[in-house]
Amino acid sequence: SQQGEEDPQALSIQEGENATMNCSYKTSINNLQWYRQNSGRGLVHLILIRSNEREKHSGRLRVTLDTSKKSSSLLITASRAADTASYFCATDPDSNYQLIWGAGTKLIIKP
Amino acid sequence: DADVTQTPRNRITKTGKRIMLECSQTKGHDRMYWYRQDPGLGLRLIYYSFDVKDINKGEISDGYSVSRQAQAKFSLSLESAIPNQTALYFCAIRDRGYNEQFFGPGTRLTVL
Repeated sequence: SQQGEEDPQALSIQEGENATMNCSYKTSINNLQWYRQNSGRGLVHLILIRSNEREKHSGRLRVTLDTSKKSSSLLITASRAADTASYFCATDPDSNYQLIWGAGTKLIIKP
Repeated sequence: DADVTQTPRNRITKTGKRIMLECSQTKGHDRMYWYRQDPGLGLRLIYYSFDVKDINKGEISDGYSVSRQAQAKFSLSLESAIPNQTALYFCAIRDRGYNEQFFGPGTRLTVL
């Protein structure tokens, strides 16, 4: 069964705008990861946030984690056409077993 | 060269045929995973392996089998393919002590 649910399922914005995607999960976690998938290709790891962290930055990416609400958000600032992709959150319950994946948010950046 | 390679990249087969998808890696990671991806459902874990002698079923292992021939190679077999196994299949690797998974480019399998 899937752990995470992304919201929205699809998002279309103008280039230069910020994009925010949300992820909710069901059980306790050790960390939460965000991945990007360009159309039909393999997933690429973007950023990881641990359960004792509340916010993390990497370039134009900002991730927040609220363990009390079992939710995370991914913010992409100053979006570019190359950011067009699907974004998945994955939760890691114990760092030794498996990642549990959400269904993804499809992001389209309009030029 | 890519760290994780998958062969074939695309395969069309018929119901009842046996199919093998292969995955190889050059990073020396001990953990290897097979996932399938269906539209709108994200990734679901089929099998995973922590080393050559440690293979475990995932969420949706029925109808699939795997073989870890070496540290670097992990194969997924469909013994008798059926149409609802039509999907995009990904191999992934992970290093012990680290959390990030590295993915192969995927195999698009169509079962007619």
